[in-house]
Amino acid sequence: QQPVQSPQAVILREGEDAVINCSSSKALYSVHWYRQKHGEAPVFLMILLKGGEQKGHEKISASFNEKKQQSSLYLTASQLSYSGTYFCGTEGGKLIFGQGTELSVKP
Amino acid sequence: GAGVSQSPRYKVAKRGQDVALRCDPISGHVSLFWYQQALGQGPEFLTYFQNEAQLDKSGLPSDRFFAERPEGSVSTLKIQRTQQEDSAVYLCASSPRMGTRRYFGPGTRLTVT
Repeated sequence: QQPVQSPQAVILREGEDAVINCSSSKALYSVHWYRQKHGEAPVFLMILLKGGEQKGHEKISASFNEKKQQSSLYLTASQLSYSGTYFCGTEGGKLIFGQGTELSVKP
Repeated sequence: GAGVSQSPRYKVAKRGQDVALRCDPISGHVSLFWYQQALGQGPEFLTYFQNEAQLDKSGLPSDRFFAERPEGSVSTLKIQRTQQEDSAVYLCASSPRMGTRRYFGPGTRLTVT
């Protein structure tokens, strides 16, 4: 039931791009993305409500392929502030989170 | 207005003690959720409420865990006879209605010694 995220961890230099994938064995109705910094609460990034939808937030965007039961989060021209752990969550009455992808952006 | 608040922020309990964790959601938010987050893991669903009704408690790990939201606003998560494996951060989140974004509180870090 828990969505699977990949990669588990990624290290970037400032300005580099990254993609984080989230896949589920169950049909997806919506996908949430959150970022959590160490010792802090998860912070909402975006929610995708229907298949094929893409949403953007500054240089962070996401896509949702309902057919493949997958979502991907795209981070372009990464900044130091992007460091943290990214979680996808799949909604089916309750939000179930993946295990997280730890992103470190170095100067 | 103010965000989701939780108290206490830190709690140390001796094994076998009972603890009560409080969550104050954003005013007017219908849905309230409890999650347990172990170190290095994603938040794991425990239970959720719509107003005062507990609609799903399938994630509660044992009958030692009990949650309530009697008036549809403040919620309390109670853990009886705490065990070491209960050590984790307990996150509360609220949302205006089901299917919308979650607003998370800062969490309560529970350490059972």
